[in-house]
Amino acid sequence: SAVISQKPSRDICQRGTSLTIQCQVDSQVTMMFWYRQQPGQSLTLIATANQGSEATYESGFVIDKFPISRPNLTFSTLTVSNMSPEDSSIYLCSVFSSGQPGYTFGSGTRLTVV
Amino acid sequence: GEDVEQSLFLSVREGDSSVINCTYTDSSSTYLYWYKQEPGAGLQLLTYIFSNMDMKQDQRLTVLLNKKDKHLSLRIADTQTGDSAIYFCAERGTNAGKSTFGDGTTLTVKP
Repeated sequence: SAVISQKPSRDICQRGTSLTIQCQVDSQVTMMFWYRQQPGQSLTLIATANQGSEATYESGFVIDKFPISRPNLTFSTLTVSNMSPEDSSIYLCSVFSSGQPGYTFGSGTRLTVV
Repeated sequence: GEDVEQSLFLSVREGDSSVINCTYTDSSSTYLYWYKQEPGAGLQLLTYIFSNMDMKQDQRLTVLLNKKDKHLSLRIADTQTGDSAIYFCAERGTNAGKSTFGDGTTLTVKP
């Protein structure tokens, strides 16, 4: 299965600033996703990162707050913009490859906004 | 929309069997998954079952699927302290690529 490198692994940020999270995959993958996991909760899908076009956002998430790039089939970034303490969470990159039954997850980015 | 539910906590003694249960609502689910999340880590795909199967066994893991009742279970035989983690049930429907996750079951294994 694909191997994902997600950076940074953790960060503490000031409110009002932005953080960009990177997801690098060791092989070309058909689909890439960004999830948020709030403390003690399950995973919530933020958006599907589409190669060469705008990401597809889930209800409750907007591009201005969570801009996503996917310049090629192995790389994507998620930016958390104008952060507030409510954005403190774990952000996870996930990929789905044809031929694989399940999803592979990055190790996550633990974000704390102070 | 689709919903996946599971009990939040399970505590067992080392050497016992653990059974984690999950129910889902999407009758078009094609794959059902169990993921394991250890503290400070991402999710690791533990096992999966295709929707036309009733059971799948993989070493200490047994997955049972009752499609009629939309019920999925994960049995871990001879549970070890290293099995302590959060276990997420998830389903993938026909909406290509999108999965719905349960809230996770925290398994605590006592020595």
